[in-house]
Amino acid sequence: RKEVEQDPGPFNVPEGATVAFNCTYSNSASQSFFWYRQDCRKEPKLLMSVYSSGNEDGRFTAQLNRASQYISLLIRDSKLSDSATYLCVVKKGFSGGYNKLIFGAGTRLAVHP
Amino acid sequence: EPEVTQTPSHQVTQMGQEVILRCVPISNHLYFYWYRQILGQKVEFLVSFYNNEISEKSEIFDDQFSVERPDGSNFTLKIRSTKLEDSAMYFCASSEARGSNQPQHFGDGTRLSIL
Repeated sequence: RKEVEQDPGPFNVPEGATVAFNCTYSNSASQSFFWYRQDCRKEPKLLMSVYSSGNEDGRFTAQLNRASQYISLLIRDSKLSDSATYLCVVKKGFSGGYNKLIFGAGTRLAVHP
Repeated sequence: EPEVTQTPSHQVTQMGQEVILRCVPISNHLYFYWYRQILGQKVEFLVSFYNNEISEKSEIFDDQFSVERPDGSNFTLKIRSTKLEDSAMYFCASSEARGSNQPQHFGDGTRLSIL
């Protein structure tokens, strides 16, 4: 089983739509969770951290369900500039010195006029 | 906003040659990382580095790979004898601390092409 699994998409949505991405992770020792965004042939850029209580940043809302080992990202009022690949990323806990990021393969979003 | 910088942006090398990829992490960051992304695949962890030593490495990071912080600003990845399968984007990242929610900030990558 992959450590981090995402639906590869693509999700093709019109401007203004609401779109949701899901991600599951296999290692219950995972402690930190992030969504990164990656444009074609560019570096991953941190979109937001994901907290247990859920968190929102403008049009973006992230949720974490530790019991189900499930993370989500909701984008409201999609813009053309939101077109990118969204990477679900987890990190194991502090104990043992684990600090590497484990990336999902990404979900591609295409927003059209 | 401070950023991680990487040079060169694109490196073309003959198979079997040595290559050094360079990174300047964000100045107050203490933890440094290398990741790679083969075209069409996911980003993969290679190595993390703290206090002048490797803190963790992946199975990919074999004896052909090494990292170094030769001075107070640069962080390098060396591949001694490159193979065709080393062709990938190599990303350097840094973080301020090791705490669980500390984000890692990525440079814009070096595209390595092995001929």
